[in-house]
Amino acid sequence: DVKVTQSSRYLVKRTGEKVFLECVQDMDHENMFWYRQDPGLGLRLIYFSYDVKMKEKGDIPEGYSVSREKKERFSLILESASTNQTSMYLCASSSPIEAGQGHEQYFGPGTRLTVT
Amino acid sequence: GENVEQHPSTLSVQEGDSAVIKCTYSDSASNYFPWYKQELGKRPQLIIDIRSNVGEKKDQRIAVTLNKTAKHFSLHITETQPEDSAVYFCAARGRGRRALTFGSGTRLQVQP
Repeated sequence: DVKVTQSSRYLVKRTGEKVFLECVQDMDHENMFWYRQDPGLGLRLIYFSYDVKMKEKGDIPEGYSVSREKKERFSLILESASTNQTSMYLCASSSPIEAGQGHEQYFGPGTRLTVT
Repeated sequence: GENVEQHPSTLSVQEGDSAVIKCTYSDSASNYFPWYKQELGKRPQLIIDIRSNVGEKKDQRIAVTLNKTAKHFSLHITETQPEDSAVYFCAARGRGRRALTFGSGTRLQVQP
């Protein structure tokens, strides 16, 4: 059974703080993703990683960075939190995507971040 | 990049009726189309997916159809039950891309 866990379910931070969100998966997946979920906007990809130390920008990377030092762990960093980064953050992982194939993404429980 | 549009944003049906959710995509090279269900307070989970070499796929009460010419795909739920109430997301993955692009979601409410 795939397990994707996130470090916090709820987080409250102040504007300007540096924020770390951590995600851990136990299925030896190569791919890991960070999304933010906002009402009416669906799931928007912030960053993803397809291997240790490898990363690619998603659709909304501004204001965020990521770190993947170990295969099982993918961190999202808000360098200087702002109120417009208040959102639900979801991590996901999947096995490699081969040509013509698609693989299920397994999501974590989410972290609801509030920036005041 | 890929753009996925999803309609309607909310859908209310009576128990036992059918529900249809539609998505369009922009990248004609996209080849994988999954649907995720997110119950209230829970994480999204894959319920069905379809690849571009198939026009239709069924799994019990749910089915997905794909029209590559028109670049749209749909989720069909028959004999809806209260436990089908959730937010449903469609997604598409372009050829050669590693990531999915998700639609904006449809909140389905099944009235008992």
